[in-house]
Amino acid sequence: SAVISQKPSRDICQRGTSLTIQCQVDSQVTMMFWYRQQPGQSLTLIATANQGSEATYESGFVIDKFPISRPNLTFSTLTVSNMSPEDSSIYLCSVFGGTSSYEQYFGPGTRLTVT
Amino acid sequence: DQQVKQNSPSLSVQEGRISILNCDYTNSMFDYFLWYKKYPAEGPTFLISISSIKDKNEDGRFTVFLNKSAKHLSLHIVPSQPGDSAVYFCAASGGGADGLTFGKGTHLIIQP
Repeated sequence: SAVISQKPSRDICQRGTSLTIQCQVDSQVTMMFWYRQQPGQSLTLIATANQGSEATYESGFVIDKFPISRPNLTFSTLTVSNMSPEDSSIYLCSVFGGTSSYEQYFGPGTRLTVT
Repeated sequence: DQQVKQNSPSLSVQEGRISILNCDYTNSMFDYFLWYKKYPAEGPTFLISISSIKDKNEDGRFTVFLNKSAKHLSLHIVPSQPGDSAVYFCAASGGGADGLTFGKGTHLIIQP
């Protein structure tokens, strides 16, 4: 399976500011996924990022709030814009991998606290 | 509307016994089901999966059973070990380029 790293691992940010989270994969992948896990909740898909095209956002998530870049086949960024305390979550990226085409492997996550 | 449900927030099992974690889903379009294990401050770790054409998949101590007519799946861990203590998430996918839909997780506690 792919090795995925994320930066930063955690951050504490002021309300109204923005934070960009980086996701790096050790192999080339077509699709990358971004998820959010709010405190005590499940993981929720934010968007799917393909290299060379606009990200596809799930219902309830918009590009102005969560802009995504996918400049090459091993890297992606997710920006959380104009943050509020409700954005305090763990943000995770994932990629397909393993023996089956539908298995996803996750990075370690970025724990964001907005004050 | 929650499409993947894990109705037990927590489960306590004695070391050496069988742990059974349950998951229900409502979306008939789901074709693939996965189980993840998550420790605090780490990303989810893939454990085992099953496609809808099968009713059982086994990998070492882990077995996943799928009852498609009941829209129910379960993860069996036997024998349970202290290192199995973690939050377990059930997830589902329609396949292709779909992302995963997760349940809320079950906190498994293995007691010595």
